[in-house]
Amino acid sequence: EPEVTQTPSHQVTQMGQEVILRCVPISNHLYFYWYRQILGQKVEFLVSFYNNEISEKSEIFDDQFSVERPDGSNFTLKIRSTKLEDSAMYFCASSGEASSYEQYFGPGTRLTVT
Amino acid sequence: EDQVTQSPEALRLQEGESSSLNCSYTVSGLRGLFWYRQDPGKGPEFLFTLYSAGEEKEKERLKATLTKKESFLHITAPKPEDSATYLCAVQGNTDKLIFGTGTRLQVFP
Repeated sequence: EPEVTQTPSHQVTQMGQEVILRCVPISNHLYFYWYRQILGQKVEFLVSFYNNEISEKSEIFDDQFSVERPDGSNFTLKIRSTKLEDSAMYFCASSGEASSYEQYFGPGTRLTVT
Repeated sequence: EDQVTQSPEALRLQEGESSSLNCSYTVSGLRGLFWYRQDPGKGPEFLFTLYSAGEEKEKERLKATLTKKESFLHITAPKPEDSATYLCAVQGNTDKLIFGTGTRLQVFP
């Protein structure tokens, strides 16, 4: 069964460093998302991406964040200068032909900023 | 403001003891209500999508229902392997999913 994959599973970085989180969405999906979940809190939307551009972003997704689909399979989230409060699980998700279809989530990357 | 509230926060059941989880929502133009299961340290696993009031979906011991204001996830004769956090999310006029805080279910033998 097709699934969303994410690498790395755990990333430790120092405050102020740049990190890139990587995702491989399900191959025939057209809509891509990033969410995050701070420990003990709800899953929060960050950004959606369709047709090679951002379709929506949340207040959390400020100028420190960017997304890219560098090739036909990868989808990346970059945080330019990490802060302590960026520590969280980051989930990539994808959905199929329409954005109202179910979104399938990857296993997540645990980001720890020290 | 679009919002999702789930109750109870935590639920302990004995194996075989059926129960229901509640998800109440306010959203502008509901396009879909989604149920996910999340195990500790893992990503949300898709269970159901409900699109309109009156709709029901079933999968093994789980059944999801939808009204205009809330959704229920009914668990019939649960087993220990059903222990997880169950998340409810809605999609309104935009693509993003708005999640509730979840119900942490423990089923003990």
